[in-house]
Amino acid sequence: QSALTQPRSVSGSPGQSVTISCTGTSSDVGGYNYVSWYQQHPGKAPKLMIYDVSKRPSGVPDRFSGSKSGNTASLTISGLQAEDEADYYCCSYAGSYTLGVFGGGTKLTVL
Amino acid sequence: EVQLVESGGGLVQPGRSLRLSCAASGFSFDDYAMHWVRQAPGKGLEWVSGISWNSGSIGYTDSVKGRFTISRDNAKNSLYLQMNSLRAEDTALYYCAKDISYSGYVQFDYWGQGTLVTVSS
Repeated sequence: QSALTQPRSVSGSPGQSVTISCTGTSSDVGGYNYVSWYQQHPGKAPKLMIYDVSKRPSGVPDRFSGSKSGNTASLTISGLQAEDEADYYCCSYAGSYTLGVFGGGTKLTVL
Repeated sequence: EVQLVESGGGLVQPGRSLRLSCAASGFSFDDYAMHWVRQAPGKGLEWVSGISWNSGSIGYTDSVKGRFTISRDNAKNSLYLQMNSLRAEDTALYYCAKDISYSGYVQFDYWGQGTLVTVSS
């Protein structure tokens, strides 16, 4: 159970788009379509932004989108807004017995 | 409104035990898998353990296997984490999280506010 690999930080200006990658293995990201993404503001609980690789829960803006290719999943945020500045974590199902693994997290800075 | 309220955290000496509880409300608790996720101070999220709706499928991260035990009581709408042989590296904010499915594909749509566990002498 090794943590998924995410860039430690990304940045963009308001209105721009940024993409955060999440690399795993064929035993987790590449093996299942159960990748989710979470946004966490300082001192707050995480919030689900994407599930099942690319589905958005009700209430999440369509500026947030997810995709996957092979062992790498990606979160794209378009039309960056100041309130998007937060930490983002990917998470993947890793097989039977309800196993899960998170990425190390990416700090998004809106310049 | 879905609510998850954790309790049971605190300061504990290395090697001792602690039992965390999570009281759930606002949804059909026995229809969903549940999980514990922790976050060490200033660090990232770490999935700790998960349990399916009927306790038929249970998983743990490697670092807690043999020391932690997850359980649930569907009659009481409650999730538990029994933590034994605690180590300094178990110090973290422990979140209770609801899965979006009954079997547990480790995707969380609701989180509690967390309970802090500090392991120190």
